[in-house]
Amino acid sequence: QQKVQQSPESLSVPEGGMASLNCTSSDRNFQYFWWYRQHSGEGPKALMSIFSDGDKKEGRFTAHLNKASLHVSLHIRDSQPSDSALYFCAASGNTGNYKYVFGAGTRLKVIA
Amino acid sequence: AQTIHQWPVAEIKAVGSPLSLGCTIKGKSSPNLYWYWQATGGTLQQLFYSITVGQVESVVQLNLSASRPKDDQFILSTEKLLLSHSGFYLCAWSGQGGAEQFFGPGTRLTVL
Repeated sequence: QQKVQQSPESLSVPEGGMASLNCTSSDRNFQYFWWYRQHSGEGPKALMSIFSDGDKKEGRFTAHLNKASLHVSLHIRDSQPSDSALYFCAASGNTGNYKYVFGAGTRLKVIA
Repeated sequence: AQTIHQWPVAEIKAVGSPLSLGCTIKGKSSPNLYWYWQATGGTLQQLFYSITVGQVESVVQLNLSASRPKDDQFILSTEKLLLSHSGFYLCAWSGQGGAEQFFGPGTRLTVL
């Protein structure tokens, strides 16, 4: 069973709308959570990290972490066509851990 | 600024043939290095990581091997390719374990 599960598998939102992506971990050893974005044919790029309970906002992106339920979410407001991509949630242990587990991804399409 | 380069950009190989993929990181001293495999549109599966020259740890066994001959170089190889090796191979680096990973542009491998 995959240790990091993402939902939905795919998502379509209108330009200017809000996109909400979810991620749940089944391993309490994971301490750090990341959101990566991958455009077709490219390597993934980190969007933001979240390590503490609560919200973290960076521009149009807001991540939320609930450590008790091991649930992480990413909200993209004012979605743009350039946000259309594959989004991955990734988890890792503490700074001495070099193993990362990625979720299956959510494919976001922003419709102009 | 750090840069990461992967070679070749793409390969088409026959089943049973050998393979060597490379990755070079410039501008970062003693990076932690990683190899990932990604099926088309799929999740990222971590294959190997290396903390220092000459030391490589395997995360999952896929009949592949990796080596780190220099501080800034990471090599992925196999003596005999399988059809299941087809996919997108990504090299990444991080400053420390659990930290943000920076991915290269990837190598597209097709095994026929």
